[in-house]
Amino acid sequence: NAGVTQTPKFQVLKTGQSMTLQCAQDMNHNSMYWYRQDPGMGLRLIYYSASEGTTDKGEVPNGYNVSRLNKREFSLRLESAAPSQTSVYFCASRIDSLNTEAFFGQGTRLTVV
Amino acid sequence: GENVEQHPSTLSVQEGDSAVIKCTYSDSASNYFPWYKQELGKRPQLIIDIRSNVGEKKDQRIAVTLNKTAKHFSLHITETQPEDSAVYFCAATNSNSGYALNFGKGTSLLVTP
Repeated sequence: NAGVTQTPKFQVLKTGQSMTLQCAQDMNHNSMYWYRQDPGMGLRLIYYSASEGTTDKGEVPNGYNVSRLNKREFSLRLESAAPSQTSVYFCASRIDSLNTEAFFGQGTRLTVV
Repeated sequence: GENVEQHPSTLSVQEGDSAVIKCTYSDSASNYFPWYKQELGKRPQLIIDIRSNVGEKKDQRIAVTLNKTAKHFSLHITETQPEDSAVYFCAATNSNSGYALNFGKGTSLLVTP
């Protein structure tokens, strides 16, 4: 039982390049989330998927797209990376929407140069 | 949307002393309030949570209190130890944004021997 798994763990991109961050959970959770973490800013919600087949914007969605490929997988895509997207990205999941613990992946440290 | 304020941003205590971190939230519909601990380079992990129908919850040296009328909740750590040194995040959640966790900006706690 691996929990929430993110790939890659580290990535360096050049400005304008694209990439997809992968996230998979094996806990049969319905809800999945993508956050970014910047120093002094806490964790900010980029996109979320309350259930398979649905996705919605969070607090900071600009420059990102997501795909809920199936119940297990939720990917985050940067179409044209910018230095402002340098951050640590965390994927999280919860079994349902109500008052339950969110489990986090180990994070992806992304640097855009 | 929900706005969570967290104070202080940094806190330094001596081993054995108590530490208190306070959070306020804006949306009266919020009904779940978890606290996460994040060690350097690691993922956030849940340490305690409280639901809106409870005023206080304790787990060994950690306790959380909730005042729904004032819309604030606090984390109390007693008999602090050096291994309590980490960044602590409070969060609040409600039916908006797929019940995603809305985080405070974090408190960096340092416990000195």
